[in-house]
Amino acid sequence: KAGVTQTPRYLIKTRGQQVTLSCSPISGHRSVSWYQQTPGQGLQFLFEYFSETQRNKGNFPGRFSGRQFSNSRSEMNVSTLELGDSALYLCASSAEALRALGSYEQYFGPGTRLTVT
Amino acid sequence: ELKVEQNPLFLSMQEGKNYTIYCNYSTTSDRLYWYRQDPGKSLESLFVLLSNGAVKQEGRLMASLDTKARLSTLHITAAVHDLSATYFCAVSAYSGAGSYQLTFGKGTKLSVIP
Repeated sequence: KAGVTQTPRYLIKTRGQQVTLSCSPISGHRSVSWYQQTPGQGLQFLFEYFSETQRNKGNFPGRFSGRQFSNSRSEMNVSTLELGDSALYLCASSAEALRALGSYEQYFGPGTRLTVT
Repeated sequence: ELKVEQNPLFLSMQEGKNYTIYCNYSTTSDRLYWYRQDPGKSLESLFVLLSNGAVKQEGRLMASLDTKARLSTLHITAAVHDLSATYFCAVSAYSGAGSYQLTFGKGTKLSVIP
């Protein structure tokens, strides 16, 4: 079974621009979560999507948004980029079948390394 | 707000030695996860601990969970260089609307020296 895939893997943008990152979950997984990882703040939760609906959101400004499509693929968008948005953005998927067993384990993709200059 | 604290944050150990990484969390939860991250790579799931007293072992790593103490440990036995990586613990807690959010510790960067 293929793992979580993310595109692009690396991205360089300029302050003020916007960016869209893409994530394809493991086949059959309908929940997709996004995380931002920086050396200073560590891993921080951005949002979670399930069945095309955002069902949880972390403490990030409105410049960070996302969506999920009917095939469970997800995109996140960051508008008006700031230098502080430079980070590794990780996408993770999870299976409802595991939830039934009490596990909320998430499987992570390789990440998109975003550099804002 | 759920807080997850790991210690130590940095660990340098010699090959062949044993050591334990600690993960404390601030809310009642009986679901704890350990991940490994190699430099420049993503997170790899190591252990899923789903109940009080759960113990899991894989090779030289053993993880345990004490929900009463809100503590999980990751024990390294006879460390080898290949174990050098950053280890994260994460706790899942219900955050509404069917969502169980993972909150991560800061990570423990382990360096095993020959």
